[in-house]
Amino acid sequence: DAGVIQSPRHEVTEMGQEVTLRCKPISGHDYLFWYRQTMMRGLELLIYFNNNVPIDDSGMPEDRFSAKMPNASFSTLKIQPSEPRDSAVYFCASTVSGRALNEQFFGPGTRLTVL
Amino acid sequence: DQQVKQNSPSLSVQEGRISILNCDYTNSMFDYFLWYKKYPAEGPTFLISISSIKDKNEDGRFTVFLNKSAKHLSLHIVPSQPGDSAVYFCAASAMNNDMRFGAGTRLTVKP
Repeated sequence: DAGVIQSPRHEVTEMGQEVTLRCKPISGHDYLFWYRQTMMRGLELLIYFNNNVPIDDSGMPEDRFSAKMPNASFSTLKIQPSEPRDSAVYFCASTVSGRALNEQFFGPGTRLTVL
Repeated sequence: DQQVKQNSPSLSVQEGRISILNCDYTNSMFDYFLWYKKYPAEGPTFLISISSIKDKNEDGRFTVFLNKSAKHLSLHIVPSQPGDSAVYFCAASAMNNDMRFGAGTRLTVKP
């Protein structure tokens, strides 16, 4: 079975550029989460969706960050304009209501470097 | 505001001995706690969890203990194996799927 798929795995960009990270959750999962991992703060929840609807985006750092989920099998996290402090590993995770709700399945992550 | 804290960024243990990873939380509304394990270049994977109605949950070599009055939980691995070397994240949630993670503890098990 395919797990959560994220692309790209690595992204290097210059300050001011737009960055789009992509995620395909596990088929049948109705919750999707975006996290950011940094050395200082560990794993931070940015936003999560239930049935493609954003439920809580209070973790999104600022207006430069936006996330969409146009359908059940695809989500994007966009940063525009990007800044060096956005450099981190971004994880997408999914789970399904009805099981232990917090046992989320994580993708391999996208390592973003903003120069 | 770190609601879940792992104060030890790293831990080194000899193979065969016990590894104890600690986690503290501040939000008394948390009612479900989890440990995730993360290898380099991979996403975290779920390891073990515990509900607030319990104080212990065991799964093979892994045991999680919860002390609600102290707002503290710990993960015990015994015996530790070199393959257990990874970063361990503690996480907590309050029924709404809004899970908060600690910063992680890097465990190294030496052969």
